[in-house]
Amino acid sequence: GDSVTQMEGPVTLSEEAFLTINCTYTATGYPSLFWYVQYPGEGLQLLLKATKADDKGSNKGFEATYRKETTSFHLEKGSVQVSDSAVYFCALVNGSNYKLTFGKGTLLTVNP
Amino acid sequence: NAGVTQTPKFQVLKTGQSMTLQCAQDMNHEYMSWYRQDPGMGLRLIHYSVGAGITDQGEVPNGYNVSRSTTEDFPLRLLSAAPSQTSVYFCASSPRRGTNEKLFFGSGTQLSVL
Repeated sequence: GDSVTQMEGPVTLSEEAFLTINCTYTATGYPSLFWYVQYPGEGLQLLLKATKADDKGSNKGFEATYRKETTSFHLEKGSVQVSDSAVYFCALVNGSNYKLTFGKGTLLTVNP
Repeated sequence: NAGVTQTPKFQVLKTGQSMTLQCAQDMNHEYMSWYRQDPGMGLRLIHYSVGAGITDQGEVPNGYNVSRSTTEDFPLRLLSAAPSQTSVYFCASSPRRGTNEKLFFGSGTQLSVL
């Protein structure tokens, strides 16, 4: 079945540092890929998405590129802020089943 | 626009008790789902519905029942709570326009079963 593997956390960075959170997936066909973010005490919210190979999703300074050749969708940000502290989830939807498959999440803490 | 509303926010149950977690959305979304979130496990799909009167099982359905009598509501029932059901539960909805539509999540229900 489909699966998502993302780097284990926690990740601790200083403000203005560069962020990479790795995500790889296993799926047949051509899934759509997502990054969701969960701020403390809240539900998840969509950060960015990409629906086909070589698409780049971007939002709030975060970017991720759909790489079919490496089955990856790594999340990057050039300069993190304290307000980016959250749990980040990589996810995919495959086919017409409407079901999201999530990775286990990566906790990011950004210190001032 | 309230979005996805879950109640209660917190609940403590004793083993064997029953309860219903409520979920309502006001966006006329056809697709609704329930996830549980456990440390180190990410989110796992419990049940989902693609429209009123239609429900199906997800990855971890045992111990949970659902029904979808209206487009707006999708309650999750625990018939006989067990400590293994201690978790944070999220309801999510999406327009049924395509598989790349984003999910809208509620703020969660933290459930403890003693």
